Parts: sequence; structure tokens; C-alpha cells
Amino acid sequence: GAVVSQHPSRVICKSGTSVKIECRSLDFQATTMFWYRQFPKQSLMLMATSNEGSKATYEQGVEKDKFLINHASLTLSTLTVTSAHPEDSSFYICSAGTGGGTEAFFGQGTRLTVV
Amino acid sequence: KQEVTQIPAALSVPEGENLVLNCSFTDSAIYNLQWFRQDPGKGLTSLLLIQSSQREQTSGRLNASLDKSSGRSTLYIAASQPGDSATYLCAVKENSGNTPLVFGKGTRLSVIA
Repeated sequence: GAVVSQHPSRVICKSGTSVKIECRSLDFQATTMFWYRQFPKQSLMLMATSNEGSKATYEQGVEKDKFLINHASLTLSTLTVTSAHPEDSSFYICSAGTGGGTEAFFGQGTRLTVV
Repeated sequence: KQEVTQIPAALSVPEGENLVLNCSFTDSAIYNLQWFRQDPGKGLTSLLLIQSSQREQTSGRLNASLDKSSGRSTLYIAASQPGDSATYLCAVKENSGNTPLVFGKGTRLSVIA
């Protein structure tokens, strides 16, 4: 299957700093990628849809100024958590689909801890 | 709005048992359904993908069925092993094209040696 690579896998940062997470489609082009967040013992919840060459669309309740998404190429989307706070500590994971959008492929996820 | 429910939330079984995990979804108009495995602190591993026109898919000791009209899917694991211990997630895709998945909360499985 297609490969989606996400980095870093784990990051600890101080409160008030910003953290960038990268999501790459390694062997296919992805015009659309999705960013999810998972709190402990909860389901994965869609945060935003990343669209190559245009603005991301955010789900209700997700602050677009806090979670900056850039999808500058067909193989890379980045999520920047700005001015992170402890309540932003969570598991963030991206996904992308190949043309036709049949199967979703996921990155390895990023465990963010804000101290 | 689509909602996906997984029952039970947690399950502990002795090694060797056959087991069934359940998934239900409120809107039967889905494009496909996917079962994933998630190990603690890790990403998702896709196990089985069932298209809306299919009734079941099999891979090794895993068998997933889909009853689209009733909004249900089951994941059957035969001869469970300690290495099967993980959280199993069910997710539905509502449309064709590049659209996101709607996930259940998962079933946390422990297989005891």
C-alpha cells in the first residue's frame, strides 16, 4: 500500500512555544490530506482538511489561528501548533489517499506533550 | 451526522479464544468501512477494508463482515494470540474521493497467555 510518513513521532515542548509536524506522502501525490487528533481513550477526531495550494478547512471548534496548516506541495502538509499549552497535549495523526480515494493511509502519528 | 459506536470498549480473553468485535454506524449510506489496529502510542495499521458493495473480507485469522443496511460490521479474530493485544478501531468513509473517515472509540483487546 501507499506510504505516509509523519515526523516527529514524539515531541515535548515548553508552554508558549510552537511545534511543527510534517506529513509526507512518499510514493504518491496527495492533493488532500487530513489531520486528526486523539485524546486518551477517545476516538480520532478530524481537525482539518489540508488542500494543496489553497487554504485548509477546519472542523467546528478547531482554531485555525492556533493550528496552522500548510500544504505547499503535492507530497507535504505541515501542522504547526502555535503558542502551545498543556491542553494541546495529544496524539496528532495525518492521513492521505491515493487517486480515487478508496483507502486511507495514515502516518505514524505524533505524540505532543506540552509542559 | 454520522456516528460510529464500538462495543465492547474493552475485552480480555485467554489465548486461543475466538472473539468478535462489534461496530455500528448511524447512517448506512457509506462508501466503505475500514478496520484498524492501534498499538499504545503508535499510529494506525490498516487490517481490512470492505467496500459498501461487499459483505466480508478476510486476511489470515481476521474476518470482517459488513451489513450495510443495518449499519453494522463485525471483526472476527480466530485463535487469538497475545500479540493481538491492541486497540481495534472501526472507521467509515461516507463518500468516494478524498474524504475523511469517521472513527469509533475503539475496542481495547487484551489476550492473556
